[in-house]
Amino acid sequence: KAGVTQTPRYLIKTRGQQVTLSCSPISGHRSVSWYQQTPGQGLQFLFEYFSETQRNKGNFPGRFSGRQFSNSRSEMNVSTLELGDSALYLCASSHDSNQPQHFGDGTRLSIL
Amino acid sequence: AQSVTQLDSQVPVFEEAPVELRCNYSSSVSVYLFWYVQYPNQGLQLLLKYLSGSTLVKGINGFEAEFNKSQTSFHLRKPSVHISDTAEYFCAVRANTGNQFYFGTGTSLTVIP
Repeated sequence: KAGVTQTPRYLIKTRGQQVTLSCSPISGHRSVSWYQQTPGQGLQFLFEYFSETQRNKGNFPGRFSGRQFSNSRSEMNVSTLELGDSALYLCASSHDSNQPQHFGDGTRLSIL
Repeated sequence: AQSVTQLDSQVPVFEEAPVELRCNYSSSVSVYLFWYVQYPNQGLQLLLKYLSGSTLVKGINGFEAEFNKSQTSFHLRKPSVHISDTAEYFCAVRANTGNQFYFGTGTSLTVIP
């Protein structure tokens, strides 16, 4: 069974640009969550989607948005990039809330 | 809401020695508890989970954890560590009635030869 796939693995952008990250969950998983990981901050929860609906949202500005498609694949978009957005963005999927999350290897975003 | 505290940011330990990584949580409702491991340039991998039942949970790679409700703790232990155990370890909690996972800030385990 294929794991969670995130693309691209690495991305370099400049301030003010926008970026879209993609996540393909494990087959059959309907819940997809996104996290931002930075040194010293740990994992910060961005949002969770379940059956194409945003079910939970973390404390991030509106520049961070996401969506989920009918095949459970999810995208995360960040607009007007700032230097502080440099981080590893992790996607995790699960059958539903009472099951452990399975993580992808992340997309490392660097803002110049 | 729930929260997780990992008391040690860095833990150095000699090879073949035992190790304990501490995790305390805060919640007004019953919770599920998890430990994840992260190797460099990779995502998080589930080590073990506590959902219900026996408070002593065994996971992969020889790790185990004990759920202590009275002390709101879920410490991770291994009796003898290997060099390959060097990694970042994250404790996570989720309310049994909620959807969101809350992660600790991580403990960096370094195994010294």
